[in-house]
Amino acid sequence: DTAVSQTPKYLVTQMGNDKSIKCEQNLGHDTMYWYKQDSKKFLKIMFSYNNKELIINETVPNRFSPKSPDKAHLNLHINSLELGDSAVYFCASSQTLGNYGYTFGSGTRLTVV
Amino acid sequence: QQPVQSPQAVILREGEDAVINCSSSKALYSVHWYRQKHGEAPVFLMILLKGGEQKGHEKISASFNEKKQQSSLYLTASQLSYSGTYFCGTIMDSNYQLIWGAGTKLIIKP
Repeated sequence: DTAVSQTPKYLVTQMGNDKSIKCEQNLGHDTMYWYKQDSKKFLKIMFSYNNKELIINETVPNRFSPKSPDKAHLNLHINSLELGDSAVYFCASSQTLGNYGYTFGSGTRLTVV
Repeated sequence: QQPVQSPQAVILREGEDAVINCSSSKALYSVHWYRQKHGEAPVFLMILLKGGEQKGHEKISASFNEKKQQSSLYLTASQLSYSGTYFCGTIMDSNYQLIWGAGTKLIIKP
């Protein structure tokens, strides 16, 4: 029973295309996150939602737009994809804001060609 | 603001011990530790709250020195399965935003 599930696992697309990554958690957590992990393995926070409310919106190009239809889902839409967007994108969730561990999804490897 | 992890990488023989450090220039609310195996997602190991506590998880334990703003992760009698990249994350204020270190790559050889 997957706790945080992301789809798709792999995404290969051409520059200029628009794509979406979906994330769902069945843990009953209030807070969800999107992270980008580059080739050097650095984890960069992109967005964070708490009970469907955007609370962290880091310096990310506005081509990236998150959407949280309910607290169990946090999707990421990317417009006009660029080569530099190639990375692994992780969704994560935590019980709520505060000192709680994060549970990560298995990641989406995005390759822009 | 990013915590500094040391060492950047370490190679051990199975059965040896390792210590990974995580230092911050600012006061900390808490420290998280995660392990990420190659091609997989980070997995939560433990969280330490200010108060200088030490926590354990199988043969992996950690300490948090609030005065020094530093946490250390201890891997005892390392097993092949401990290989991976270890990340610390720090929370410094009531925004509860987790700031990640750059990671420490641990390679365990038979």
